[in-house]
Amino acid sequence: QVQLVESGGGVVRPGGSLRLSCKASGFTFSDYGVHWVRQPPGKGLEWVAFIRYDGIINYYGDFVQGRFIISRDNSQNTAHLQMNSLRPEDTALYYCAKDQRAGHENADYFGYWGQGTLVTVSS
Amino acid sequence: EIVLTQSPATLSLSPGERATLSCRASQSVRNYLAWYQHKPGQAPRLLIYDVSTRATGIPARFSGSGSGTDSTLTISSLEPEDFAIYYCQQRGSWPLTFGGGSKVEIK
Repeated sequence: QVQLVESGGGVVRPGGSLRLSCKASGFTFSDYGVHWVRQPPGKGLEWVAFIRYDGIINYYGDFVQGRFIISRDNSQNTAHLQMNSLRPEDTALYYCAKDQRAGHENADYFGYWGQGTLVTVSS
Repeated sequence: EIVLTQSPATLSLSPGERATLSCRASQSVRNYLAWYQHKPGQAPRLLIYDVSTRATGIPARFSGSGSGTDSTLTISSLEPEDFAIYYCQQRGSWPLTFGGGSKVEIK
């Protein structure tokens, strides 16, 4: 069955960096776009970044401001989110989600989600 | 950025009652709108996409309607497992955005 497993979260000081990973299984990873979506404590969902199935196109939320980089390795069925210059307001549960439909030229809806990995930015 | 405003913030209902949730966009989303259900400690789940199409495995009591800037999620008869937070989301333009959520709680 479809599985998305996030890892790499933890506690980091303001200004620090973290690299999140999303390991996929149960489907043809290279056919689907991947998103990162976050949920700050007690708040709603916020879209972070998208990378197309072939890795050629990516987009970011306005708040990212050049601090994050999304990437993927289709040979390892894994996507990553490199987060630099972290701020306290980046504290959140970070979810990985796959496009609902294969081969979408632009971003599709979030068809399946992982359980998330918690990022805490605090001094 | 397209801002999605959901109402009401909280809806208190009993099992068997009808729930009607609203999502209003600051500009047209060209029918590229979805609804998700989110329960504490679980991953969100896609319910409805393209305003009115149920995702695979979603019960028929969930329905979506609307066009342009206004969309509605209706749960015709609430089951105990339907008490959760519901988010609308648009993919009509970048950046992708979510509404603030509507909580359906047991009365």
